[in-house]
Amino acid sequence: DAGITQSPRHKVTETGTPVTLRCHQTENHRYMYWYRQDPGHGLRLIHYSYGVKDTDKGEVSDGYSVSRSKTEDFLLTLESATSSQTSVYFCAISESEVALNTEAFFGQGTRLTVV
Amino acid sequence: QKEVEQNSGPLSVPEGAIASLNCTYSDRGSQSFFWYRQYSGKSPELIMFIYSNGDKEDGRFTAQLNKASQYVSLLIRDSQPSDSATYLCAVKASNYQLIWGAGTKLIIKP
Repeated sequence: DAGITQSPRHKVTETGTPVTLRCHQTENHRYMYWYRQDPGHGLRLIHYSYGVKDTDKGEVSDGYSVSRSKTEDFLLTLESATSSQTSVYFCAISESEVALNTEAFFGQGTRLTVV
Repeated sequence: QKEVEQNSGPLSVPEGAIASLNCTYSDRGSQSFFWYRQYSGKSPELIMFIYSNGDKEDGRFTAQLNKASQYVSLLIRDSQPSDSATYLCAVKASNYQLIWGAGTKLIIKP
């Protein structure tokens, strides 16, 4: 199994509070991603990183920020959590973005509930 | 808006039969296509990928790609109860982003 660890695995938080999710990898992969997964929707990209301090927005980035200060760590922050951000969050890593056969490896997921 | 469409199911298939899962995509410049399996409460894991037109076989799994018709399918032969899961289609679009379908829930009935 790819070495990806997400923390926390479960979190319940109140509306308006800040929340940070952490993704840690031991594979030294260049690309790291944050997705959310909701019923009826595919995995939707929030933000991704293509190197230390290099990040870009995905399709559902509003309300989220990210940071990558080290190759192995990618943090997702909800500045002020809302109920619409209740979801399962997955971190993923990959070696290359452009190679045809690049596989994405996923962490175990974080179930976040905003009440 | 680049899209990937899958029938949400559930698709119910008797044990030992062939399960056929389909996926269509909108971006004609898409380059490669992935099938992931996701068990309930778990993370997605790659089954196989394909990037050339035609069939690609791996054990009981066969991926089929038709770029002209913009669809990709996954066949599972000799279906087993352990194949019961949600199958996610992912497409690497022309901008290198992975676009995901919502998944098809497959149930294999013993």
